Amino acid sequence: DVKVTQSSRYLVKRTGEKVFLECVQDMDHENMFWYRQDPGLGLRLIYFSYDVKMKEKGDIPEGYSVSREKKERFSLILESASTNQTSMYLCASSSQGDPLYEQYFGPGTRLTVT
Amino acid sequence: EDQVTQSPEALRLQEGESSSLNCSYTVSGLRGLFWYRQDPGKGPEFLFTLYSAGEEKEKERLKATLTKKESFLHITAPKPEDSATYLCAVQAKNSGYALNFGKGTSLLVTP
Repeated sequence: DVKVTQSSRYLVKRTGEKVFLECVQDMDHENMFWYRQDPGLGLRLIYFSYDVKMKEKGDIPEGYSVSREKKERFSLILESASTNQTSMYLCASSSQGDPLYEQYFGPGTRLTVT
Repeated sequence: EDQVTQSPEALRLQEGESSSLNCSYTVSGLRGLFWYRQDPGKGPEFLFTLYSAGEEKEKERLKATLTKKESFLHITAPKPEDSATYLCAVQAKNSGYALNFGKGTSLLVTP
């Protein structure tokens, strides 16, 4: 079974702090994704990566950055946390190929910025 | 611009009362349509992938179908444990591997 793990289930940070969210997958997937999920807005793509050291902006990258130094690990960084970044953050991974392979999700990190 | 619209937003069923959830999409060339189930406080769990109009897939009480404009998730004789939010997502050709999600349908099945 594919396993995607996230470093924290719950996190509380103060405004202005630098925040690191870590995601690790154990299935040698090439693709990794970061989403945020908010009530009424659904899942929105923040950043994604198709290879080590490669990153692409999603729909809402402002205020975030990412790092992928190893194939299995994809980090989301909030350079200076703000209250509007309070949300559920979901990491996902998938394999490249045709036909298209599904994305597997981690359990999520509920981040509260006070 | 690609769009995914799910309806209804919320649905309440009695145990055993069959129904369908709808996912309408507008995409410039569909590569795949995905259905996920999400329980409160957890990450989405993959259910089905559909690739072309006319395709159908089944899993226990769930059956997903696909046309050129929409997909349906049919739930036959639901049980309380089927209560969850059901998410639909599409991927367009020539858009990499990212998915575009709908906002979901929250299903509650009462005994």
